[in-house]
Amino acid sequence: ETGVTQTPRHLVMGMTNKKSLKCEQHLGHNAMYWYKQSAKKPLELMFVYSLEERVENNSVPSRFSPECPNSSHLFLHLHTLQPEDSALYLCASSQDGGGGGYTFGSGTRLTVV
Amino acid sequence: AQSVTQLDSQVPVFEEAPVELRCNYSSSVSVYLFWYVQYPNQGLQLLLKYLSGSTLVKGINGFEAEFNKSQTSFHLRKPSVHISDTAEYFCAVREGGSQGNLIFGKGTKLSVKP
Repeated sequence: ETGVTQTPRHLVMGMTNKKSLKCEQHLGHNAMYWYKQSAKKPLELMFVYSLEERVENNSVPSRFSPECPNSSHLFLHLHTLQPEDSALYLCASSQDGGGGGYTFGSGTRLTVV
Repeated sequence: AQSVTQLDSQVPVFEEAPVELRCNYSSSVSVYLFWYVQYPNQGLQLLLKYLSGSTLVKGINGFEAEFNKSQTSFHLRKPSVHISDTAEYFCAVREGGSQGNLIFGKGTKLSVKP
């Protein structure tokens, strides 16, 4: 399997639930990202991991908790979310210093009820 | 801070017509420029990129873009569109060479009609 794989593709959760989004890349990249894509809003960069260390957290609420156990895997742990958190969550990876763009997964469509 | 402006939120065109999707960025420092396409319920797919060299860049699916440093623009063009080109297109810039984060525009929805 190649590219960036995200699971699940769709997730419906209540505001009191705890769930996790998973991202896996098979490209040998050394950086991974979480983006949020809401209707009528630009893509929002949430977290950046470079060499498994978090290098950026763009003022994301603490109900979103990222985890990067190794260079191939990235998780987004969710708890006590709000309906406005419903969105498409996209994972991406890149090779720092490689000059290229990012490779994106297909996303997880999250609905908070 | 770097910003990307896509002037048109929606562009309707007829099949086989030419199309241009406009993109301007704010910084005049060294940047890498990208166009991505997003089909419904999919992630973003790289169409083309400009890193250096020739200002005219050719990508997949017959798209091309031209880097204009003086106008800080990177417009996307296709001479003849197909129904299958209906999608949302995002322009993105990575400043500081390859070390900066990718900053996206708000996207342009291209709708190709028969």
